Amino acid sequence: EPEVTQTPSHQVTQMGQEVILRCVPISNHLYFYWYRQILGQKVEFLVSFYNNEISEKSEIFDDQFSVERPDGSNFTLKIRSTKLEDSAMYFCASSPLGMRNTGELFFGEGSRLTVL
Amino acid sequence: AQSVAQPEDQVNVAEGNPLTVKCTYSVSGNPYLFWYVQYPNRGLQFLLKYITGDNLVKGSYGFEAEFNKSQTSFHLKKPSALVSDSALYFCAVIHEGQAGTALIFGKGTTLSVSS
Repeated sequence: EPEVTQTPSHQVTQMGQEVILRCVPISNHLYFYWYRQILGQKVEFLVSFYNNEISEKSEIFDDQFSVERPDGSNFTLKIRSTKLEDSAMYFCASSPLGMRNTGELFFGEGSRLTVL
Repeated sequence: AQSVAQPEDQVNVAEGNPLTVKCTYSVSGNPYLFWYVQYPNRGLQFLLKYITGDNLVKGSYGFEAEFNKSQTSFHLKKPSALVSDSALYFCAVIHEGQAGTALIFGKGTTLSVSS
C-alpha cells in the first residue's frame, strides 16, 4: 500500500542552525501538508501546499519556515534558524483531493526534531 | 474560526465494554468533521468522517460516530472495546482560511482499554 515517507526519523540540532525535513508524499496526491506535535499531544497545523504554492498557513508558520517541492516528488520543510521551542515531531501528510472532497489525509510516521 | 474541543484528556474502559470519546465543535455553516487515531510512535490514521447525510457514521476498526447538530457534538463510539484500541484519538474539523482549507485537530484524548 502506498505510504508517505519522511526523513530523517530523528534529527538533533543546535539552536540557530538550519534544518530541512524531507517528505515523499504518495505519488498521485496533489495536496501536501505539514503538521507538528509537541510532547505527543496537540497536533498543530503549519501549512498546506497545492499547485506549487502555499494555499494556507497558520500563525506558527512564520518567516523562519519555508516549504518547497523541488523535484516533483519530495516535499520539504525548512526551518532557517531553529529555536528550542521548535523541538517537536513534524508530520507530513498528503491527500489526492481537496479537503472538502475527502478530508482524509495520509500521514507519514514523522520526523522528531530536537533542538539543543 | 472553526474549532473542535475534546473535554477529556483520558478515557479508561474495560475490554468488552462500550466506549465513547467526546468531541464538540464550533463552526459557521455546515461542519465537516473527522476522527483520527494515533498509535504510539506512529502517524495519524483516518478513522471516519461526517460530511452530510446520516448522523451515524461508520468507520474503520468497528468505530462509529454520531453527529448531533443540536448538541454540536460528534462523539466517537464503539460497542465493545479491545485492548488494541488503546491509542490517542483526535477529533478534527475543516477550517476555511482566506486562501485555502486545513484540517484542524482537537487536543486529543488518550483511550486506555484494560484487559
